[in-house]
Amino acid sequence: RKEVEQDPGPFNVPEGATVAFNCTYSNSASQSFFWYRQDCRKEPKLLMSVYSSGNEDGRFTAQLNRASQYISLLIRDSKLSDSATYLCVPTGTGRRALTFGSGTRLQVQP
Amino acid sequence: ETGVTQTPRHLVMGMTNKKSLKCEQHLGHNAMYWYKQSAKKPLELMFVYSLEERVENNSVPSRFSPECPNSSHLFLHLHTLQPEDSALYLCASSQDNRGEQYFGPGTRLTVT
Repeated sequence: RKEVEQDPGPFNVPEGATVAFNCTYSNSASQSFFWYRQDCRKEPKLLMSVYSSGNEDGRFTAQLNRASQYISLLIRDSKLSDSATYLCVPTGTGRRALTFGSGTRLQVQP
Repeated sequence: ETGVTQTPRHLVMGMTNKKSLKCEQHLGHNAMYWYKQSAKKPLELMFVYSLEERVENNSVPSRFSPECPNSSHLFLHLHTLQPEDSALYLCASSQDNRGEQYFGPGTRLTVT
């Protein structure tokens, strides 16, 4: 099983729609999780950190289900500028660094 | 944004050249990373430095040689590269090697 699995998409949604992505992870010892967004040919940028059951920041909500080992990202009222690839990142254990998923691509259409 | 800077932003080199990529972080972090991202591929972790000690080296060919002289600077020395090494090379830093990572803008490398 891959350490991090994400549906690559693309998810094509109209402006104003609500869209959700899921991410499953294999390391049950992961304590923290991050969502990054990456625009085409640019560096990943931190979107949200999740240390407990979830986090909310404006239109973005992340929820963590430790029992099932998945984390979701919900985007409400999608904007054209939300078009990007969203990377799910659980922390490693011991001295291992973060493991980046391959991402889910979102395309918001006018 | 000047948290993590990388130079050069673009680099074209021949297979016999030697060049170095530079990364500098101004965030007071103690861990730094090199990643490779080929076109339409996920990030591949290359090297991790924590407190200036290399703690991960993910089977990277010896033609890539990292150097971390202090906690703010990271270099990637390149020599006798292959065309398949053409990619975006990203540097990142974090406080502790399990914290949020902040990325530089990357160096887009083309090997001819």
